[in-house]
Amino acid sequence: KQEVTQIPAALSVPEGENLVLNCSFTDSAIYNLQWFRQDPGKGLTSLLLIQSSQREQTSGRLNASLDKSSGRSTLYIAASQPGDSATYLCAVSSGSARQLTFGSGTQLTVLP
Amino acid sequence: DTGVSQNPRHKITKRGQNVTFRCDPISEHNRLYWYRQTLGQGPEFLTYFQNEAQLEKSRLLSDRFSAERPKGSFSTLEIQRTEQGDSAMYLCASSLGLAAYEQYFGPGTRLTVT
Repeated sequence: KQEVTQIPAALSVPEGENLVLNCSFTDSAIYNLQWFRQDPGKGLTSLLLIQSSQREQTSGRLNASLDKSSGRSTLYIAASQPGDSATYLCAVSSGSARQLTFGSGTQLTVLP
Repeated sequence: DTGVSQNPRHKITKRGQNVTFRCDPISEHNRLYWYRQTLGQGPEFLTYFQNEAQLEKSRLLSDRFSAERPKGSFSTLEIQRTEQGDSAMYLCASSLGLAAYEQYFGPGTRLTVT
């Protein structure tokens, strides 16, 4: 059974800092890995998708890496802003339905 | 707006009542997923449709839950005889089933069972 773990569960940083969120998964037989953002009481916004054959993806101030063999991914956020405050979720796609298995998320607070 | 839509956005019901939620996926997306998210946790997979066929169901989907996608377009999720433990956010996602198989999520339906 696939299990996804995210560390830390919560993180508070001052504005302008660079930060790294960590995600690990137990079964390396994945199709892809997605990072999502979730604001309180809202749905999920897809940030980045890394296919299993890729090592990293970049979008603006965000960079995600994938090491499938070790079951790890990181999300790097550069020059953090208060508007980045949200919960960040990591999910891996596996199984015949390619369903997503999620971690519990990292709650990020960026202080002005 | 051409994203995934869900209705209603909020539902409050009394224990024992039946509720039905609707999901409209992105047009032409043939793959549709339902997930459930409880407070402080990540979403958990419930069920999957490819076109109108329900191909996968999680153990979380008890006999009180049923999902349909009659014409391969919109989908409904019904919960019969609701229990307080059913209180959660119910999320729908769709995917085109090509290349990256990226899933796009709707805003969710927040269910509160009193």
